[in-house]
Amino acid sequence: QVQLVQSGAEVKKPGASVKVSCKASGYTFSTYPMHWVRQALGQRLEWMGWINGGNGKTKYSEKFQGRVIITRDTSASTAYMDLSSLRSEDTAVYYCARSKWGVDAFDIWGQGTMITVSS
Amino acid sequence: SYVLTQPPSVSVAPGQTARITCGTNITRGNSVHWYQQRPGQAPVLVVYDDSDRPSGIPERFSGSNSGNTATLTISRVEAGDEADYYCQVWDTTDLYVFGTGTKVTVL
Repeated sequence: QVQLVQSGAEVKKPGASVKVSCKASGYTFSTYPMHWVRQALGQRLEWMGWINGGNGKTKYSEKFQGRVIITRDTSASTAYMDLSSLRSEDTAVYYCARSKWGVDAFDIWGQGTMITVSS
Repeated sequence: SYVLTQPPSVSVAPGQTARITCGTNITRGNSVHWYQQRPGQAPVLVVYDDSDRPSGIPERFSGSNSGNTATLTISRVEAGDEADYYCQVWDTTDLYVFGTGTKVTVL
């Protein structure tokens, strides 16, 4: 079945970077966009950016521009989200989510990765 | 940019109908999508493009978009419907925008 499996929880110090992975299975990875969405505790969902699974082009939310880099490895059917200059406000659950071309909705989600930023 | 305001909470008795509204300035040309998020779980898409249901989502979940406001309707509410619900649209400036979220409590 179609699924996205993310890497495990991490604890980071302020100023550090974190890289979260998202391995896709059950579909052709390169034919769908992949997005990253985060959610702080008790807060709404927040879109961070996306990558074209085929050509690797990316688009980021202005809020995260300059701090986030999304990449992919098509041979491993895996997308990555790298967030730098971490601060306490970045403590959240990070999700990868797939969308379909022509539909701006996220139809498949990863299980989420908890990132804690604490000194 | 869009302001996707949702009521913070909606309470409904089992078997009754829950209605969750979204948005203050959504235009008819923008598709609205809805997600269900149970505690500790990832969101699940329940309605897309205003009123379409993904495979496996019960017919009890339906959506509409009248122009200024989109609505998710849950008919014949069950205990398992208790969750947070988020609307979402795509916007040319803010790109992907989520609503403030609504907690549905089944009494």
